[in-house]
Parts: sequence; C-alpha cells; structure tokens
Amino acid sequence: ETGVTQTPRHLVMGMTNKKSLKCEQHLGHNAMYWYKQSAKKPLELMFVYSLEERVENNSVPSRFSPECPNSSHLFLHLHTLQPEDSALYLCASSQRGGSEKLFFGSGTQLSVL
Amino acid sequence: SQQGEEDPQALSIQEGENATMNCSYKTSINNLQWYRQNSGRGLVHLILIRSNEREKHSGRLRVTLDTSKKSSSLLITASRAADTASYFCATRKTDSWGKLQFGAGTQVVVTP
Repeated sequence: ETGVTQTPRHLVMGMTNKKSLKCEQHLGHNAMYWYKQSAKKPLELMFVYSLEERVENNSVPSRFSPECPNSSHLFLHLHTLQPEDSALYLCASSQRGGSEKLFFGSGTQLSVL
Repeated sequence: SQQGEEDPQALSIQEGENATMNCSYKTSINNLQWYRQNSGRGLVHLILIRSNEREKHSGRLRVTLDTSKKSSSLLITASRAADTASYFCATRKTDSWGKLQFGAGTQVVVTP
C-alpha cells in the first residue's frame, strides 16, 4: 500500500457516458497529480494541484475536468471521451517543500468503446 | 520531445546477474528519479539523485548521474525474479516544480 487509493480499478465507458475517477491520499501531502499512461508511451502529466489550486494544466482536452475539493481528494471527471483516451490513469501525491518523490495509486484502467 | 529516454527498451537476464539501464535527458535538471512499475500497477519510487550528486546507493540499487553528459544509469545487482518490472527515469527541470517528466521505460525480465 502506497497510501494513495484510486477507484475504480477498471472502467469501461461509451463515448457518450459521463464518469468520474476518484483518488484519495492518506499521507498528509499537499500536492496531487493526474498522469495518463498509454501503451509504449511515456507517462503524460495532465494536471497538478498544489494546496488545492491547479498549478499545471498540460494542454489537456476539455473533456477531462479535474476537481480538488481538499488536499486529500482528487477527481477526474470524464465526458464524451474518444477511443484514443483509453489508457491507465494514475494519481499521485507529494509534499511540496519536502521530499520530491511521488507516491502513486494503482491506477484506473479505462477503456472507451 | 520527451525529457528522459531510457536505454535499452527491454532487458532479459537471469537471476543473479546485474541489470544496467541508462537514461538520457536534454535540459538542466534539479533532480533525477528512478521508479519501478509492475504490470498494470502504479509506479513506486526507488531513488532520487540531485544535480550536485554523482552517485547514490540504496540496497541493491546504484544510481549514477553525469550532468556533463546529461545521463544517468541504474544498476540492479544480483537480480531476482521479483525485480521483473518496468523501470522509469524521471527528471525535474530547474525552476520547474511539479513537472516531473518520465521516459518510456526499460522493461526488465529476470528469469529464475
């Protein structure tokens, strides 16, 4: 256990569906991240939140909408996705001002049909 | 273009052998980190080396950093079947907090 929990572990959705991915960290960290991992490609940084404020939005399409209601929770709201959005979505947390290492959740494997 | 690139893309060795993988990057960095990922799981941090450090050890892991060549290496000594995983380097550029950029990884298979 890394202290970062992601739900659901697997998600299959149609292109017209709306769903949300959830991430919760129990490490007392003040920064949270969403990464996208596609087959045979480097991890892509999508969003960064520091002290619940978005500090990075890496040119991500608007069909992905993040939400960080407090320092322990992070959501990724999904709507009208495309098949190429199928990937492993990883949440991570870290302590800004402390160790720079990231703690990752196990990810949500998303398939868009 | 990606900041970190690992070499080789895949490595197959037998238990007891050493595994070495390399990472090259393009711009000045604050630190470089190595992570491990088992299939379908999240990444686990292994070791962090700062730009003013040249070598670090952690158990069976040895990491080197050569900022003049913009490269790093990860050595796993006396490998075990449980070391089978993908290994990624990640770099944080100077004055670029929060933007940890990963390479595509080296897939390591250790056979008993």
